[in-house]
Amino acid sequence: EAQVTQNPRYLITVTGKKLTVTCSQNMNHEYMSWYRQDPGLGLRQIYYSMNVEVTDKGDVPEGYKVSRKEKRNFPLILESPSPNQTSLYFCASSLSQQVTDTQYFGPGTRLTVL
Amino acid sequence: SQQGEEDPQALSIQEGENATMNCSYKTSINNLQWYRQNSGRGLVHLILIRSNEREKHSGRLRVTLDTSKKSSSLLITASRAADTASYFCATVPDSGAGSYQLTFGKGTKLSVIP
Repeated sequence: EAQVTQNPRYLITVTGKKLTVTCSQNMNHEYMSWYRQDPGLGLRQIYYSMNVEVTDKGDVPEGYKVSRKEKRNFPLILESPSPNQTSLYFCASSLSQQVTDTQYFGPGTRLTVL
Repeated sequence: SQQGEEDPQALSIQEGENATMNCSYKTSINNLQWYRQNSGRGLVHLILIRSNEREKHSGRLRVTLDTSKKSSSLLITASRAADTASYFCATVPDSGAGSYQLTFGKGTKLSVIP
């Protein structure tokens, strides 16, 4: 089944403890991205990647890192999480390098930073 | 930066009625996309309309795009209780450097009462 998977789905952690949220797609998509969703703010893009080893900042990249070593995986890294990073995170992918076609979203990761 | 803005923020209708949601944006676009999200779950793509298109249909969905007014509308006809969800528009800028970012609005929360 064609899908975008994220792990973990739920995570409660403490301030400063490094964590990684994984994202994987099995559709051979070029483009992958991360969003965070907060009440009243909608979805905001954190980072995106047009191809392997090519990443760029979205609208809210501070406090996050990403890497794209393989086409299928695009992990989101929080080196030193803080409470303001408590949010619902979504990974998405699409076929072409540019955002000119359908985005496929993962199921989301709900992160709480205490 | 928030590009698309949906209107209204919330909409409540009776089953069988039509629902119309509007999206306004600020800069010229390559395409505009509509997504649905059921209560904290992943987003599902509904329709993509390109800047040179004026109207698209998909089942009970009809999307229009008016680039002169920088606005789009999503019409759901003969609504069902299962249509209860949040609906988001997302825009891809028309950039000479390439269209790599998708910017979401804050969404319209639709409630369809059985």
